[in-house]
Amino acid sequence: TQLLEQSPQFLSIQEGENLTVYCNSSSVFSSLQWYRQEPGEGPVLLVTVVTGGEVKKLKRLTFQFGDARKDSSLHITAAQPGDTGLYLCAGDYSGSARQLTFGSGTQLTVLP
Amino acid sequence: DAGVIQSPRHEVTEMGQEVTLRCKPISGHDYLFWYRQTMMRGLELLIYFNNNVPIDDSGMPEDRFSAKMPNASFSTLKIQPSEPRDSAVYFCAIRVLRYTEAFFGQGTRLTVV
Repeated sequence: TQLLEQSPQFLSIQEGENLTVYCNSSSVFSSLQWYRQEPGEGPVLLVTVVTGGEVKKLKRLTFQFGDARKDSSLHITAAQPGDTGLYLCAGDYSGSARQLTFGSGTQLTVLP
Repeated sequence: DAGVIQSPRHEVTEMGQEVTLRCKPISGHDYLFWYRQTMMRGLELLIYFNNNVPIDDSGMPEDRFSAKMPNASFSTLKIQPSEPRDSAVYFCAIRVLRYTEAFFGQGTRLTVV
């Protein structure tokens, strides 16, 4: 069974603080994606990483893909209340037909 | 996203009843996915189709669940008979190609009482 672990599960911080969310697996990913989900909606893609060691930035969000392509992190700088939501990582595993396995998610709340 | 339309948005049914969830994706995708989301188990992949053919249904919890995709513009997920533990939000999603962005519908919130 291919498990994708996310941590922390819940995170409540004050506006302006920084935070990091982690996504880990024992298996190698062909690609990994980060999604954000708001209440009553489906997840929406933030970024896709493919190459080991890759770093992508999206405004205040920085995404890293581990060198071995088994882990990833999402770092938010100076969080804002608008960043509140459920953050999900999802991976396509190398050598497997199974697609888009999702992590358990990190529920982020940014307080004003 | 308007690219995937799910219906109904909300469904409340009694235990033992048959439930059919519907998904109408835009054209041009290769893959269609059905997911179930709960607080306890997160977002679980139930089944996915490639060019209308079921590829991986290992996530379908029991024989009570079945999914069909008669054409590229329509898919259904059926639960018969339904049980309270089936209560969840069910999502349909599409991908144009593998490794690309997945577009999700708004989901169907199912409550079985």
